[in-house]
Amino acid sequence: DTAVSQTPKYLVTQMGNDKSIKCEQNLGHDTMYWYKQDSKKFLKIMFSYNNKELIINETVPNRFSPKSPDKAHLNLHINSLELGDSAVYFCASSQDGTFEPQHFGDGTRLSIL
Amino acid sequence: QKEVEQNSGPLSVPEGAIASLNCTYSDRGSQSFFWYRQYSGKSPELIMSIYSNGDKEDGRFTAQLNKASQYVSLLIRDSQPSDSATYLCAVIGSSASKIIFGSGTRLSIRP
Repeated sequence: DTAVSQTPKYLVTQMGNDKSIKCEQNLGHDTMYWYKQDSKKFLKIMFSYNNKELIINETVPNRFSPKSPDKAHLNLHINSLELGDSAVYFCASSQDGTFEPQHFGDGTRLSIL
Repeated sequence: QKEVEQNSGPLSVPEGAIASLNCTYSDRGSQSFFWYRQYSGKSPELIMSIYSNGDKEDGRFTAQLNKASQYVSLLIRDSQPSDSATYLCAVIGSSASKIIFGSGTRLSIRP
């Protein structure tokens, strides 16, 4: 069974569109995260949720809105997509909010045309 | 100065040799340090964590931490072709509220 699963794996869309990425973990962890990895492999945390509560909200455009319906799910919705949003987005989870250890999903490669 | 710095590489090491990967960080109060391995097109995978000064060994991997010099390293003994990957250094800052990743060092093990 996949521990942290993200869908879709690939997302190709036009500038200006709105899209969502879904993430689910079956590890029973309390904390989930969203990361963005750019073309230079730089991995940066965007958000973290602990038991459905927003804990970390890095300097991310408000076009990005995370939603956690329950502690096993953390979805990412992006409005008005821009070229600079092209990246790989990783979801991750950990038992608590200490980042240790983190289990990553397989990533969603977002390409903006 | 970047918060977590790594040499981007590529670092080319012959099979069977020791690969040495280095990372420096700027937040002197940082307490937790991690090494992740990321194969091309895959997600990061935690391979080592270290919290106190000195060495920590796990199989062929040794993490070394020197808080005075704000330096953390990863040694891979008996390097194998399967070790070819990008290695990401990550640090939890003094506020403990976020994790900062370096941009990674690409390691290539040549036969």
